[in-house]
Amino acid sequence: DAKTTQPPSMDCAEGRAANLPCNHSTISGNEYVYWYRQIHSQGPQYIIHGLKNNETNEMASLIITEDRKSSTLILPHATLRDTAVYYCIVRVPRYGGSQGNLIFGKGTKLSVKP
Amino acid sequence: GAVVSQHPSWVICKSGTSVKIECRSLDFQATTMFWYRQFPKQSLMLMATSNEGSKATYEQGVEKDKFLINHASLTLSTLTVTSAHPEDSSFYICSAVGPLPPYEQYFGPGTRLTVT
Repeated sequence: DAKTTQPPSMDCAEGRAANLPCNHSTISGNEYVYWYRQIHSQGPQYIIHGLKNNETNEMASLIITEDRKSSTLILPHATLRDTAVYYCIVRVPRYGGSQGNLIFGKGTKLSVKP
Repeated sequence: GAVVSQHPSWVICKSGTSVKIECRSLDFQATTMFWYRQFPKQSLMLMATSNEGSKATYEQGVEKDKFLINHASLTLSTLTVTSAHPEDSSFYICSAVGPLPPYEQYFGPGTRLTVT
């Protein structure tokens, strides 16, 4: 699975959009971009995933560049409850066996401030 | 969405005793579950892959005789920490793989283990 690079930390004002970048310059054609987040002392939570088109759900939007070498997770109206570590993971969807596990990097610690 | 539960949410045990942690997929069947461990201010590290009906696959450096994994049904996997030591104190998290592409992982809330 391709490696990702994320800034270690970011701040965001409450009510503003939080834009979290992720670089994955070695991504291959069949690898998806997944985003998870982990609020302190909780298990990770799935946010969104995409292959090449921009995606939106009730939690966030995912913008993937045309060359797929980077992406941005957008939380449109950040709240204090969005304070968490956000992980960008690139992988081919696989079911079963050790190939199906996720490899977590250090992620971006997002602090939403009032 | 799919829900994964863990029990207990926290446990304190004495050194030398064993502790069992349960991971359940509540509304879907999971032939594969994963066990992760997370030390303070560190990222999640995969310990083992739990496959229903077969032996677990352990990551390098994880002692299979110390961390016993049993995936007895399609909705339950258990992790038993045997002869626990203070250095085993950590946050243990399980995940279950969804049955359909893109095979999202659904994580449990984690279990905080403290060995005294």
